[in-house]
Amino acid sequence: DIQMTQSPSSVSVSVGDRVTITCRASQAISKWLAWYQQKPGKAPKLLIYAASSLQSGVPSRFSGSGSGTDFTLSISSLQPEDFATYYCQQANSFPWTFGQGTKVEIK
Amino acid sequence: QVQLVQSGAEVKKPGASVKVSCKTSGYTFTSYSISWVRQAPGQGLEWMGWISVYNGNTKYAQKVQDRVTMTTETSTNTAYMELRNLISDDTAVYFCARVRADWSVFDYWGQGTQVIVSA
Repeated sequence: DIQMTQSPSSVSVSVGDRVTITCRASQAISKWLAWYQQKPGKAPKLLIYAASSLQSGVPSRFSGSGSGTDFTLSISSLQPEDFATYYCQQANSFPWTFGQGTKVEIK
Repeated sequence: QVQLVQSGAEVKKPGASVKVSCKTSGYTFTSYSISWVRQAPGQGLEWMGWISVYNGNTKYAQKVQDRVTMTTETSTNTAYMELRNLISDDTAVYFCARVRADWSVFDYWGQGTQVIVSA
């Protein structure tokens, strides 16, 4: 199975800050990487697919990059509604797997 | 608009079975596959499996593969996930999600179904 490791596990930031979350795959997955945002009590929401493609309707302050084993999700200027937990997910091969999540908290 | 509406919360005893439904609308049901993802209390997301609505092919996570069955009913545009021989570790919120065929990502999700396993 492909293991997905996110860092950091949590980060405290202020509104307006830039945030970068990393996700590392235990083996190469090309660009088969997605990012999701989840708020408490809600279903996850797709933000980025194919490592760097922005899902329709997602604000342009979200961006993704990377290929192979190393990926990043960046939020250019954090807004109040961005405080949430973020997950990466690989779809290169079954079983599909998620990272453990990164909680973005208010400083 | 695309919607996935799941059945309501369940409380089950250890050893019992649960069957969660996911009724879809707003798109051609047979053109997309469905995955199921669960989330234990305070924990991350765990992929459980995938089903092709087109031909019924399935892939299951090893952790549940001996106890889970995923099916679809094209007449009602509904997907189902049945989990048998429940244990306390199966207590979680269960989500269905539509899978985009091009990049195998979950672009629409159900609202989640709470399943509690308790004696």
